[in-house]
Parts: sequence; C-alpha cells; structure tokens
Amino acid sequence: EIAMTQSPVSLSVSPGERATLSCRASQSVSSNLAWYQQKPGQAPRLLIYGASTRATGIPARFSGSGSGTEFTLTISSLQSEDFAVYFCQQYNDWPPVYTFGQGTKLEIK
Amino acid sequence: EVQLVESGGGLVQPGGSLRLSCAASGFTFSSYEMNWVRQAPGKGLEWVSYISSSGSIIYYADSVKGRFTISRDNAKNSLYLQMNSLRAEDTAVYYCARDPDPLGGAEGTFDYWGQGTLVTVSS
Repeated sequence: EIAMTQSPVSLSVSPGERATLSCRASQSVSSNLAWYQQKPGQAPRLLIYGASTRATGIPARFSGSGSGTEFTLTISSLQSEDFAVYFCQQYNDWPPVYTFGQGTKLEIK
Repeated sequence: EVQLVESGGGLVQPGGSLRLSCAASGFTFSSYEMNWVRQAPGKGLEWVSYISSSGSIIYYADSVKGRFTISRDNAKNSLYLQMNSLRAEDTAVYYCARDPDPLGGAEGTFDYWGQGTLVTVSS
C-alpha cells in the first residue's frame, strides 16, 4: 500500500497571502494525485486531479504541481472561504488501493 | 444537479450488521463507477470499496474485505454497502462518492460526494 504523508499538519496564514501545502508518496504515483478541500461538517470537494488539473469550477488561485513522489498545492491569495482541511489522494494503483494523506489544516493567522 | 444521499447509519453493537444506501440523482447512474469512503471522527479519509458501472467488478480495502459487501441497483439509481461483523474501528461517517467520467482523465478520484451517514459501533 502506498503511504501518503502531508506536511505541515497545520498551517497559519493571513488572508491575501500564499499557502503552500506538501504531499509525499512512499513510492512513485506518477501524476495520479488529487487534492480535496474539506470544511467542518461537509464532504470533501475535489480541487485538483492529475497533480495539476483544476476540477470543474475551482478558482484559478488553486494550483497543483509535482510528479512521482513529491507534490504541492498552492493557494495564491487566500480568501476567507479557503480556510479548511486539505487532503491529498493517490489513485495510481489498479486494482484500486486508493490512499489519502492525513490532511493539512489551514488556519487563519 | 448531481446529488448523492446516504442513509442507513446508526448505532450498532460490535459484531452486528448494518446496510447503508446511497440514492443518486442528476446524472446517468448506470454509466458511473462508484465508491464508499469513510472518515472516523476527527480523522482522515479511508477508501472502503469500489464497484464498476455494471456491478461486475468489485474491490475492497483489506480492512473490510470479507465483512463488507458493495452492490448497486442501476434500475433504482442506488448504491449499497452491507456491513457485517462490525467492529469499533468501523465507527465513521460513510460517504458514497462518484468516480468521474473515464473520458475526463480523472478516473480514480471522487468528483461528487454525499453528505455522509454516521455509523457508530459500540456496546
């Protein structure tokens, strides 16, 4: 099973500033990496797939990069609605053994 | 509008059983692969099970293999999860989640989620 490790566990950033979140895979997942946003009491929302492609309706301030084992989610100018928990997910394996990172909590500074 | 609505959660004793349902609307359910994903209270996400659009291909996480059974009824636009031999560690919010259209390049991710149903396993 591929283990996903996110860093940092929590991040405090001021509105309008940039946030950079990291995700590392225990072995290569090529570009089969997705990012999700989850707000309290809500289901996760798909932000990025294919490591760098924004899902439908996701604002351009969200961008993803990386391949292999190292990935980054960048939020260029934080809005109040962006403060949430972010999860990465690998979907490289078939048959599926999809795994998620433990999450990064993005908090208002 | 795509909607996924789970039901069937509740409190069950260890060793007991529960059947979750997910009612789908707003899309051609029979054309999409579906999954169950769970989240223990205050914890991260764990993929549980996958079913192909026809129901002929099924996979499970090792943690539930042999105890849980995924199924679907395309005529009723519904997804199910039969959970047997439940353990305390199965306590979680269970989400049904749609696998995107394979032609879109995001197969293996989850583009729509239900609101979740809470399963609590406790004596």
